[in-house]
Amino acid sequence: QQQVKQSPQSLIVQKGGISIINCAYENTAFDYFPWYQQFPGKGPALLIAIRPDVSEKKEGRFTISFNKSAKQFSLHIMDSQPGDSATYFCAASIGETSGSRLTFGEGTQLTVNP
Amino acid sequence: GAGVSQSPRYKVTKRGQDVALRCDPISGHVSLYWYRQALGQGPEFLTYFNYEAQQDKSGLPNDRFSAERPEGSISTLTIQRTEQRDSAMYRCASSKRARIGELFFGEGSRLTVL
Repeated sequence: QQQVKQSPQSLIVQKGGISIINCAYENTAFDYFPWYQQFPGKGPALLIAIRPDVSEKKEGRFTISFNKSAKQFSLHIMDSQPGDSATYFCAASIGETSGSRLTFGEGTQLTVNP
Repeated sequence: GAGVSQSPRYKVTKRGQDVALRCDPISGHVSLYWYRQALGQGPEFLTYFNYEAQQDKSGLPNDRFSAERPEGSISTLTIQRTEQRDSAMYRCASSKRARIGELFFGEGSRLTVL
């Protein structure tokens, strides 16, 4: 059962542009939404996370927007750089404490052209 | 070491053989997770430990899969009587007990079953 749907599957952006990746979830019990970044040959690494009590969270060039009523959240990468080229995974869990299993989206392969 | 260490990095085996995959988590991290990641997909939860106790094994596909963490540190994921459909990247992750979102993933063990 695909509980977190992610789009697009791949994305090509020019340097300096904005990259936008979208995710939708089904389980209304989800209350923790992290994004992971994965470079080739490496494991996923936490990039940024949000809880549903806020509609937006910004860390540097990375912003998560959250729409609880629509059960959607998105990652925006401003001023995209070639070094941002990676696969991005959204995820969701019930709770943030140990024992909360993360359900991942299928991933978006981002390519930022110089 | 500084990160989550997994071995072997690559394992090729014949159908019907047993394999054991090892994970050495970050020192001080008491929670340890096993995920499976198919090519082009997000990680899929398999099982999780707090210290030496297996708290949730609901993601293990069938009884050919088992995991242990006898001393609360190193963990082994064992797959008996391997099948071709078991071919995937197996990833271990660890976290401090209270912060599931800060999962630290290893580089994975790529299993190929011929």
